[in-house]
Amino acid sequence: AQTVTQSQPEMSVQEAETVTLSCTYDTSESDYYLFWYKQPPSRQMILVIRQEAYKQQNATENRFSVNFQKAAKSFSLKISDSQLGDAAMYFCAYRTYNNDMRFGAGTRLTVKP
Amino acid sequence: DTAVSQTPKYLVTQMGNDKSIKCEQNLGHDTMYWYKQDSKKFLKIMFSYNNKELIINETVPNRFSPKSPDKAHLNLHINSLELGDSAVYFCASSRTGQGGGELFFGEGSRLTVL
Repeated sequence: AQTVTQSQPEMSVQEAETVTLSCTYDTSESDYYLFWYKQPPSRQMILVIRQEAYKQQNATENRFSVNFQKAAKSFSLKISDSQLGDAAMYFCAYRTYNNDMRFGAGTRLTVKP
Repeated sequence: DTAVSQTPKYLVTQMGNDKSIKCEQNLGHDTMYWYKQDSKKFLKIMFSYNNKELIINETVPNRFSPKSPDKAHLNLHINSLELGDSAVYFCASSRTGQGGGELFFGEGSRLTVL
């Protein structure tokens, strides 16, 4: 079964600075999806960004971008110009085409004013 | 108009009781899921249904029984509740296969077993 590893239980960043959250995964599949979800204290799961494995170009969504290294099975999230509202738990997730979706253990991001 | 809705949002009950959590999605998705999030925030998949058929059943105790009356609903019934069942339970839905993409989550149901 595939596994997702987030090696940073906690990270902190100064407001307006840039932070990178790490994620690695293990799979024997060649086609799959990768995601970053954000969970603020409200506990709602919010999609931040997604990446299809067959696409070489890294996904970007405004201040959020990923560094997808398929051979290394690495999928890091970069948050630029960090804002206080970015403070949350961030989960990396992997999904196969047959609907099996697994999450990493999460990284708690603190943003310091 | 909530895409994935769960009820109840909060549930407090005694050990040994039986309880249910309901989930409905209005996105037209064909796949629905139940995840359990423990106190350490770890999200663990429990079940997944595709077109009312069970496709993923992780090592979950038999006390947990999902039921999918139709594609838009996936309910979770828990018998003989134990202290360790206390958690937040998330329902989610998605489309199948390539192009299916992300999961859409409900707001979660916090279950507290006393």
